[in-house]
Amino acid sequence: GDSVTQMEGPVTLSEEAFLTINCTYTATGYPSLFWYVQYPGEGLQLLLKATKADDKGSNKGFEATYRKETTSFHLEKGSVQVSDSAVYFCALRLPYGQNFVFGPGTRLSVLP
Amino acid sequence: DGGITQSPKYLFRKEGQNVTLSCEQNLNHDAMYWYRQDPGQGLRLIYYSQIVNDFQKGDIAEGYSVSREKKESFPLTVTSAQKNPTAFYLCASSIGGQRVEKLFFGSGTQLSVL
Repeated sequence: GDSVTQMEGPVTLSEEAFLTINCTYTATGYPSLFWYVQYPGEGLQLLLKATKADDKGSNKGFEATYRKETTSFHLEKGSVQVSDSAVYFCALRLPYGQNFVFGPGTRLSVLP
Repeated sequence: DGGITQSPKYLFRKEGQNVTLSCEQNLNHDAMYWYRQDPGQGLRLIYYSQIVNDFQKGDIAEGYSVSREKKESFPLTVTSAQKNPTAFYLCASSIGGQRVEKLFFGSGTQLSVL
């Protein structure tokens, strides 16, 4: 079945450090890929997305590139801030479906 | 402002009791969803609805029920048959059809068993 795998957390970084959160997927067909972010006590918000191979999604300094050959969509940020502390979810949606498949989430803590 | 409103924010259930979680959206979205979030397990789909008066089971529908009598409302009932209901419940919506690009989420309801 379709699935998303993320690196286990929690990830703890110092402010201004480089961030990478790995995400790989298994899917039949060519899915759209997403990163969502969840701040404490809140729902999820879309962070960025990519709809086809080699697309790069970016937002608020975060980037992820759709790599079809490695079935990956790793999230990166060059310099994290304390305000980036949250849980990050990788997700996919198949092209002819409305349902999203979410990974387990990776908790990021950024220390001042 | 457009968005999704979930209520209550915290809910407690007694043994053998049914409880209903409210979800209202004013985004004029056709599709609505209910997800369950457990620590370390991500989000799992309970039910979804693509149009009024129609809904489909997700991956973990047992012990839950829904209705979709109005476009803007998609309440979820956690029945007494759900033996492990403690979780964070998230409602979401999206435009319908094949143009779905993202989900809009409410702020969630934390359900606990007394």
